[in-house]
Amino acid sequence: QKEVEQDPGPLSVPEGAIVSLNCTYSNSAFQYFMWYRQYSRKGPELLMYTYSSGNKEDGRFTAQVDKSSKYISLFIRDSQPSDSATYLCAMRRTTDSWGKFQFGAGTQVVVTP
Amino acid sequence: DSGVTQTPKHLITATGQRVTLRCSPRSGDLSVYWYQQSLDQGLQFLIQYYNGEERAKGNILERFSAQQFPDLHSELNLSSLELGDSALYFCASSLRTEMNTEAFFGQGTRLTVV
Repeated sequence: QKEVEQDPGPLSVPEGAIVSLNCTYSNSAFQYFMWYRQYSRKGPELLMYTYSSGNKEDGRFTAQVDKSSKYISLFIRDSQPSDSATYLCAMRRTTDSWGKFQFGAGTQVVVTP
Repeated sequence: DSGVTQTPKHLITATGQRVTLRCSPRSGDLSVYWYQQSLDQGLQFLIQYYNGEERAKGNILERFSAQQFPDLHSELNLSSLELGDSALYFCASSLRTEMNTEAFFGQGTRLTVV
């Protein structure tokens, strides 16, 4: 079993809808949680990161971490066709070097006009 | 454009061969990270260099090696290539290594082993 599980999708939503993405994990030592967006044929780009539990909001994006359930979520409000991409969750332990993440498989999101 | 340059963009080679992937980090970035992205394994951290020194290792095979040169560019060497090494290889760079330092990814090198 992988340490980080993420539904690969695809997840298809109409423009303007809320996109809801999530990952579950098994390692309780994970403390840093990130969401990356990856467009086709491009490298991942960091959307949001959070430390430990709680919520974080940045524009149309909200990240939530529930450490008791080992569950993290990303919500995208007012989705746009330009949000069509693969979204990867990533996490690491405090003791690990910055880049030593465990990534989810990525969820492909398609926002239809 | 992230400012991280990877060459070549595409590479096709035969099993058993050796290839070198190159990464030029953003100007001023001291830390370089290498990742492998394949359909079955997803995105995996391979290795990190900081200012010329190896800082962290991930799931990097013994057939793979990397280095960071004094001008801070980095090379990933893959030898005795197997079909399963076919993947996208990404390089990322950051100024520092702390959590709140964003790392920027290059566009990747697509390696196909035939």
